[in-house]
Amino acid sequence: NAGVTQTPKFQVLKTGQSMTLQCAQDMNHEYMSWYRQDPGMGLRLIHYSVGAGITDQGEVPNGYNVSRSTTEDFPLRLLSAAPSQTSVYFCASSYSSQGSGPGNTIYFGEGSWLTVV
Amino acid sequence: QQQVKQSPQSLIVQKGGIPIINCAYENTAFDYFPWYQQFPGKGPALLIAIRPDVSEKKEGRFTISFNKSAKQFSLHIMDSQPGDSATYFCFWEPRGGNEKLTFGTGTRLTIIP
Repeated sequence: NAGVTQTPKFQVLKTGQSMTLQCAQDMNHEYMSWYRQDPGMGLRLIHYSVGAGITDQGEVPNGYNVSRSTTEDFPLRLLSAAPSQTSVYFCASSYSSQGSGPGNTIYFGEGSWLTVV
Repeated sequence: QQQVKQSPQSLIVQKGGIPIINCAYENTAFDYFPWYQQFPGKGPALLIAIRPDVSEKKEGRFTISFNKSAKQFSLHIMDSQPGDSATYFCFWEPRGGNEKLTFGTGTRLTIIP
């Protein structure tokens, strides 16, 4: 089982460049999300999607864009990279955002380490 | 917005000790309390979870205890090992109406030999 696959694993960008972090899941999950992880800040929600064609902002959406054209894919776009976007990014998926219990376990990708210089 | 406050931010425990990580929440609009474990260089993964109709759940050396009156749930690791060194997150899954799945701030646990 591939689970949640993120690419690239590592990336160095120059300030002002744009790029897309790719995320794909093969579990037919409706809910997908992007988090960034910074020291002492935990996991902060950037954007999320409850299904194909539906996206919404999380806690820290500025400077990022997302789209959800298929159930499987949820790319994260950095529009004009800034040093403050240096972070580790995690894509995650779950069966839904509603309803508690083991059936709604959140599955994470391995992470993408992004450095903006 | 509802909050989950996790403490401590970091913790160093000698091998064999019992680290305790706490999460406090503001209201009872939850019906599932999972903990996620993240090893360095990896994504978080579900470790153990509890429902509020029980006060304690054990899985191997990991125990969750739940104190409804104090609005707090805790993770204990019995006979801790260096391999338990990781970051631990409690998780807030709101009941209905809010789709922003939010984690606690995380506790970086180091078990020293």
